[in-house]
Amino acid sequence: NAGVTQTPKFRVLKTGQSMTLLCAQDMNHEYMYWYRQDPGMGLRLIHYSVGEGTTAKGEVPDGYNVSRLKKQNFLLGLESAAPSQTSVYFCASSYRVGRGEAFFGQGTRLTVV
Amino acid sequence: GENVEQHPSTLSVQEGDSAVIKCTYSDSASNYFPWYKQELGKRPQLIIDIRSNVGEKKDQRIAVTLNKTAKHFSLHITETQPEDSAVYFCAASSGGGADGLTFGKGTHLIIQP
Repeated sequence: NAGVTQTPKFRVLKTGQSMTLLCAQDMNHEYMYWYRQDPGMGLRLIHYSVGEGTTAKGEVPDGYNVSRLKKQNFLLGLESAAPSQTSVYFCASSYRVGRGEAFFGQGTRLTVV
Repeated sequence: GENVEQHPSTLSVQEGDSAVIKCTYSDSASNYFPWYKQELGKRPQLIIDIRSNVGEKKDQRIAVTLNKTAKHFSLHITETQPEDSAVYFCAASSGGGADGLTFGKGTHLIIQP
């Protein structure tokens, strides 16, 4: 099993460009999350999903959109990238929050210039 | 929403000594408290977790304690080794409605030889 896989691992965008980050999990987990990690700020929740076809906002959702059309995939979109979105993005999945481990992907380092 | 405070932000200990990292949380409904270890350039990985119906849990050199009345929990690492050097994150979640894990800002643990 691959666990949680993120694509791409690195990306450089120009301000105003758009992109989609893909997260795929093969553990049949219901819950999936997108976090961003900035120095000294820990991991902050952007959006999450409690099942196929559902999405919800987290702590820092502005400037991002998400979709969960298939249970195993959770996409994070940036419609018009800004330098403030330069960060490391982590996807995670779990069977249920509070009922087991959240598994993280390897991260995507995004730089917006 | 939940707010998790973590201290200290940096902790330096001599190899073989013990290390203690403390976290407080704000939401009395939180009932799941995991700890993650993140090595440089790697993904966060779960090292131990505790649920609200338990006061203490141990796994070899690692232990976590929870005081629900005071709303704080701590990570204890004994007989520290060089491979314990990493950033450690505490987190809290109320489960149920599943708004994801709320993380502390992290503690950089440095093991001095």
